[in-house]
Amino acid sequence: EAQVTQNPRYLITVTGKKLTVTCSQNMNHEYMSWYRQDPGLGLRQIYYSMNVEVTDKGDVPEGYKVSRKEKRNFPLILESPSPNQTSLYFCASSLIQGLETQYFGPGTRLLVL
Amino acid sequence: KQEVTQIPAALSVPEGENLVLNCSFTDSAIYNLQWFRQDPGKGLTSLLLIQSSQREQTSGRLNASLDKSSGRSTLYIAASQPGDSATYLCAVADSWGKLQFGAGTQVVVTP
Repeated sequence: EAQVTQNPRYLITVTGKKLTVTCSQNMNHEYMSWYRQDPGLGLRQIYYSMNVEVTDKGDVPEGYKVSRKEKRNFPLILESPSPNQTSLYFCASSLIQGLETQYFGPGTRLLVL
Repeated sequence: KQEVTQIPAALSVPEGENLVLNCSFTDSAIYNLQWFRQDPGKGLTSLLLIQSSQREQTSGRLNASLDKSSGRSTLYIAASQPGDSATYLCAVADSWGKLQFGAGTQVVVTP
């Protein structure tokens, strides 16, 4: 089944403890991105990647890192999480950027205490 | 900066009625527009994608129109059902693939 998977789905952590949220797609998509969804602010792009080893900042990249070493995986790294990073995170992918349907993962709900 | 607005923010209709959801955007230089559905606590499901060169797309009971020059799109859902209750989001894509989302329209279809 074609899908985007994220792990973990739920995470409670404390300020400053490094964490990684994994994202994987099985559709051989070139384009992948991360969004966060907050009440009243909607969905905002954090980082995106147009292909392996090619990443760039979205609208709200501060406090996040990403890497794209393999085509299928695009992990989101929070080196020193803070409470303002408490949010619902979504990974998305599409065949190429701009022109194709974007498929979203199920979301990761993160609480930083 | 692209701004996407969805009106109304919430909508309640009786089962069987047609739904009309509106989306407007400020910059007409878009690559495509997508309509998504989001159920509470769940991810986004793509409903329809309209390329910038297209005027409309249809899938089953769903029809979406796009008027790029006026910066508007409308999603029509025919003969609504309780299972159509969800939040509907529209998003416009730029040439880099970044989606700019509207705040969504929360729909409730009552039996």
